[in-house]
Amino acid sequence: AQTVTQSQPEMSVQEAETVTLSCTYDTSESDYYLFWYKQPPSRQMILVIRQEAYKQQNATENRFSVNFQKAAKSFSLKISDSQLGDAAMYFCAYRSSMEYGNKLVFGAGTILRVKS
Amino acid sequence: SAVISQKPSRDICQRGTSLTIQCQVDSQVTMMFWYRQQPGQSLTLIATANQGSEATYESGFVIDKFPISRPNLTFSTLTVSNMSPEDSSIYLCSVETFQLAGTYEQYFGPGTRLTVT
Repeated sequence: AQTVTQSQPEMSVQEAETVTLSCTYDTSESDYYLFWYKQPPSRQMILVIRQEAYKQQNATENRFSVNFQKAAKSFSLKISDSQLGDAAMYFCAYRSSMEYGNKLVFGAGTILRVKS
Repeated sequence: SAVISQKPSRDICQRGTSLTIQCQVDSQVTMMFWYRQQPGQSLTLIATANQGSEATYESGFVIDKFPISRPNLTFSTLTVSNMSPEDSSIYLCSVETFQLAGTYEQYFGPGTRLTVT
């Protein structure tokens, strides 16, 4: 079974600075997706960024980018120019293969605090 | 993406009673999922609900405790039966969509915060 590990329970960043959240995963599969979700205090889960395992190029979405290291099974999220609205719980998630209806396996989450 | 609503947004229930949570999507989707998020913890999948067939439950979750209905492609319900304080959690509905880029993405409802006293 696949597992996802987020080793940082909490992180802090100064407004306008950059922070990196870590995620590692364990799988024997070659085809899969990785995701970062954001859950603010409102508890709405928001998809931040997606990475397909077959793509070597790291995904980027505005201020959010990932460092995907397939051989090391590492998938970190970098947030640039941090804003107060970035404060939330961040979850790394794994989805196996390309078949329809596969579940997401989530890490334990990292609380991100943004200081003004 | 998909817009998902859940009812109720929160409830406080007495032990031994049951609560049905509704999930409505603004477009037709094949796969719907129900997750549980216990206080301060991550999300765990309860079951996958495919329209027209029985829900598929994850290890540790059973139909008698968490019956699910999926009457059409835009709606599903999850019932939490014979509740105990250990059932106090956030329950989230999610849907999977197939994107034009050829990838799958899951989107989540706002969740239902359940407190059992």
